[in-house]
Amino acid sequence: AQKVTQAQTEISVVEKEDVTLDCVYETRDTTYYLFWYKQPPSGELVFLIRRNSFDEQNEISGRYSWNFQKSTSSFNFTITASQVVDSAVYFCALSGLSGGYQKVTFGIGTKLQVIP
Amino acid sequence: EPEVTQTPSHQVTQMGQEVILRCVPISNHLYFYWYRQILGQKVEFLVSFYNNEISEKSEIFDDQFSVERPDGSNFTLKIRSTKLEDSAMYFCASITGSGSDTQYFGPGTRLTVL
Repeated sequence: AQKVTQAQTEISVVEKEDVTLDCVYETRDTTYYLFWYKQPPSGELVFLIRRNSFDEQNEISGRYSWNFQKSTSSFNFTITASQVVDSAVYFCALSGLSGGYQKVTFGIGTKLQVIP
Repeated sequence: EPEVTQTPSHQVTQMGQEVILRCVPISNHLYFYWYRQILGQKVEFLVSFYNNEISEKSEIFDDQFSVERPDGSNFTLKIRSTKLEDSAMYFCASITGSGSDTQYFGPGTRLTVL
């Protein structure tokens, strides 16, 4: 079975602060994919990143960075110098063959509020 | 960039009525999915569809639900007799099926059952 745990249900930060969203996953697959999606108040799911299980290199994209650690089954997401527009619900997600072909299993989401 | 589209964006219906939610997946994609998100909760898998048949479904996807690809471009989710608890956002997604692709989601249809 696949499982994604996002222990932080809500986080509030003041604008310009850095914030890290935690994600821990469980899977018995040796090959799997990890994702982060952003869901703004308008409701759509915006793809942010995909990581393959065999690629543990951390990634930075502008103010966003991701830390993938297979040893602790974690895929954490950091926003540097947060902005009000970052306010949204962020979902960590996982897909792998044992969960059904490319079916995505989502975490419960972390609601981030950035206060001006 | 190609994208998944969904119509309508918002559907309001009376309990017991049938609804059809429509999706147009990306044109060269082979695997199609429906997910559901009840307000304030996580996104949950409903069903996957490949080669004109259901490849997997969740326990949520009971006999009230059906999916169809009627014309090679649309992918529909039908709820035969809606219940209040069917009120949710429904997302469609598609992938090529090459094994290394990302599941891009449509903008969603918000279904409200009164």
